[in-house]
Amino acid sequence: EAQVTQNPRYLITVTGKKLTVTCSQNMNHEYMSWYRQDPGLGLRQIYYSMNVEVTDKGDVPEGYKVSRKEKRNFPLILESPSPNQTSLYFCASSLLAETDTQYFGPGTRLTVL
Amino acid sequence: EDQVTQSPEALRLQEGESSSLNCSYTVSGLRGLFWYRQDPGKGPEFLFTLYSAGEEKEKERLKATLTKKESFLHITAPKPEDSATYLCAVPAYSGAGSYQLTFGKGTKLSVIP
Repeated sequence: EAQVTQNPRYLITVTGKKLTVTCSQNMNHEYMSWYRQDPGLGLRQIYYSMNVEVTDKGDVPEGYKVSRKEKRNFPLILESPSPNQTSLYFCASSLLAETDTQYFGPGTRLTVL
Repeated sequence: EDQVTQSPEALRLQEGESSSLNCSYTVSGLRGLFWYRQDPGKGPEFLFTLYSAGEEKEKERLKATLTKKESFLHITAPKPEDSATYLCAVPAYSGAGSYQLTFGKGTKLSVIP
């Protein structure tokens, strides 16, 4: 089944404790991206990747890192999480670019205490 | 500056009561307009892509249309299972030759039995 998977689905952590949210897709898509969704603000892009080893900032990149060492994986790293990073996070992928249909993962609900 | 605006923010319909959701956009050189459905706590699910004014697409009780300034999602004889938040998105130019998928804040649809 073609899908985007994320892990973990739920995470509660404390300020400053480094964490990684994994994202994997099995559709051989070139383009992958990370979004956060907050009430009243909608979906906002954090980082995106056009291809392996090619990443770029979205609207809200501060406090986040990403890497793209393999085509299928695009982990999101929070090196020192803060409470304002409490949010619902989504990974998405599309065939070639942001102008292609993006398929979303199930989401990771992160709480930073 | 909002480039994608959805209205209304929330809509309550009786089962069988048809209506329309609106998505207006201000990007120039449209490179596609996407409609998604999102259930609470889940990832957006792709519905339609429209590329040019006059284009229409249908899926079950949903029909999406596109003009040069806006798109409508028409819901005919809705059922309670159509209750969800409907999101529209367009690729907006973000500089240096790249585009970023920009989402509206969504319309929360509730269909009452």
